[in-house]
Amino acid sequence: EIVMTQSPATLSLSPGERATLSCRASQSLKNFVAWHQQRPGQTPRLLIYDASKRATGIPARFSGSGSGTDFTLTISSLEPEDFAVYYCQPRSNWTFGQGTKVEIK
Amino acid sequence: EVQLVQSGAEVKKPGESLKISCKGSGYRFDIYWIGWVRQMPGKGLETMGTIYPGDSDTRYSSSFQGQVAMSVDTSSSTAYLQWSSLKASDTGIYYCVRFYADYPVDWGQGTLVTVSS
Repeated sequence: EIVMTQSPATLSLSPGERATLSCRASQSLKNFVAWHQQRPGQTPRLLIYDASKRATGIPARFSGSGSGTDFTLTISSLEPEDFAVYYCQPRSNWTFGQGTKVEIK
Repeated sequence: EVQLVQSGAEVKKPGESLKISCKGSGYRFDIYWIGWVRQMPGKGLETMGTIYPGDSDTRYSSSFQGQVAMSVDTSSSTAYLQWSSLKASDTGIYYCVRFYADYPVDWGQGTLVTVSS
């Protein structure tokens, strides 16, 4: 079973700041990782797939990187609607990371 | 536009049965895997299992094997998640999701299930 470990658990930042979220896999995933965003009280939505490809309609301020076991989601300049929980997930696998909450400082 | 529309919130008592639904539209229903994801109050996302509508091939996460049943009706493009005997620990939001290229791409709006005596 693949285990996805996200860090930090909580990230406290101000609008306009840069957010860097990490996800580490227990085994190599090549570049087959997705990131999902869940705003408070809302349904999750796919942001990034194949580690770095933005899903349809996702703004360019979201970017993903990484390969193997270490992956990063970067939000270049936080907008108010970006304060949410972010989950990483390997392709073809049911595991989700435990999530990183990006909260307003 | 791909849409997954789920049935409404449910309030049940322990021991009761329940079947919730997820109706797909805007795409060919029978050729994409559908998954179910649980979110317990204040917690993260857990995939319960997946079903392929074309032949009802069903795969359950070990945590949910024997606890729930997934099914589909391709004539109505609807997937179902069923419990025969609910427990208080089944309380949560249940999402259906369409897989594309082995990623969960499109999410239903979620069904809140509350189990309380």
